[in-house]
Formats: sequence, C-alpha cells, structure tokens
Amino acid sequence: DAEITQSPRHKITETGRQVTLACHQTWNHNNMFWYRQDLGHGLRLIHYSYGVHDTNKGEVSDGYSVSRSNTEDLPLTLESAASSQTSVYFCASRSGGTGELFFGEGSRLTVL
Amino acid sequence: GESVGLHLPTLSVQEGDNSIINCAYSNSASDYFIWYKQESGKGPQFIIDIRSNMDKRQGQRVTVLLNKTVKHLSLQIAATQPGDSAVYFCAENARNDYKLSFGAGTTVTVRA
Repeated sequence: DAEITQSPRHKITETGRQVTLACHQTWNHNNMFWYRQDLGHGLRLIHYSYGVHDTNKGEVSDGYSVSRSNTEDLPLTLESAASSQTSVYFCASRSGGTGELFFGEGSRLTVL
Repeated sequence: GESVGLHLPTLSVQEGDNSIINCAYSNSASDYFIWYKQESGKGPQFIIDIRSNMDKRQGQRVTVLLNKTVKHLSLQIAATQPGDSAVYFCAENARNDYKLSFGAGTTVTVRA
C-alpha cells in the first residue's frame, strides 16, 4: 500500500543546531506540504512543493527551508533551531486540488 | 490570519447522542472543504469532503453541511461512540489551489 513516512518521529536538539526532518511518500503525488501543529493554532503551513525543483513559502516559513530533488521526498531543514520551533511537524501529500490530503504520523521536535 | 475557524474549542457529548461540530470560513473563493479527525499522537485522518457546488454530503454516520451564504460548514456525527473522541479540523482550499488551510480544531470528548 502507498504511504507517507516521516523520520525521525522524535528528536531533541539544542538551540542553533541544524535539523532535517525527512518525508517520503510512495503515492507518486506531485504536491507535498509541511505543517507545524501547536496548541491553539491548529495546522499551519510552513512550505510546500508542487513538483520536482518547485518550492514555495507558507504562512510560517521563517527559519525553515525545503528542497525537492525527486517526486518522493521533501525534507524540511531548520537552519539554526530555535526554542520557538519546538512543535509537532506533519508532512502531507495530495494529488490535486480536491481529494484527500494524506498525512504522515508526525515528527515531534524539541529544541532546548 | 486564518481563513478557517471553528466555533467551539471543546465539545462534550453523551455516548449515543448526535454531535455537531461547526466551522466558519471567510474566503469567498473557497471551493473545496474537508473534515479531518486526529487522535492523540497520530496524524490527521480524512473523514469526509464536500465541493462548493453541493450543500450536503453523507458518509457512514457522518454528514457534512455547507452553507455558502453565511460561509458555514458543519460536521454531524450520528450516535457518537467512545472512538469518536478526538480533535476535529475543518479545512478548505480555493479552486486551482492545492494547499489546504486548517482551522484550530475542536476537541470532542464522549461521555460514557
């Protein structure tokens, strides 16, 4: 069965360190997204990609970057982790403008 | 700011009763709406969706109602069960826009 997987599921890091969260989907979807989830804010869009070599900023993109070198992967990088980036991060993918957005199981990041 | 929001952050329901979760949106270009359920420690799971050319859609024990005049969306769950305890999110996107915007979520607790 097709799926979307994230790694690591849990990570603790220190302020200032670079962190990369991996996302891999086997749906062959062109459209991939990264959201962060914080209490009281629901899911907020960080970055998204509509295809290989395409990347776009979402509403909370400061301090994050993504790259899309193939259809299956959209890694999320925190260049210099800050305590404000402690959150649960969800990767998702979708085939088009309608239909289900498929989510991974989430990556919980703690920045000390 | 967010274009999608839920009316109540929490809802307590007696087992066997019907649940109604409400959502308001502000984007008049919103074309597609979707409800997600999120259980603790997991990624959001698709429940049901509706296009803007419809005002009602039914699934198994769930019904989504869309009132475009007042920009209001609701999710009705029939005969609520303990397994329905979760956080529920509404989300929307405009036509030809592949990214979903999410509300803050409503926590539903089912009382035995």
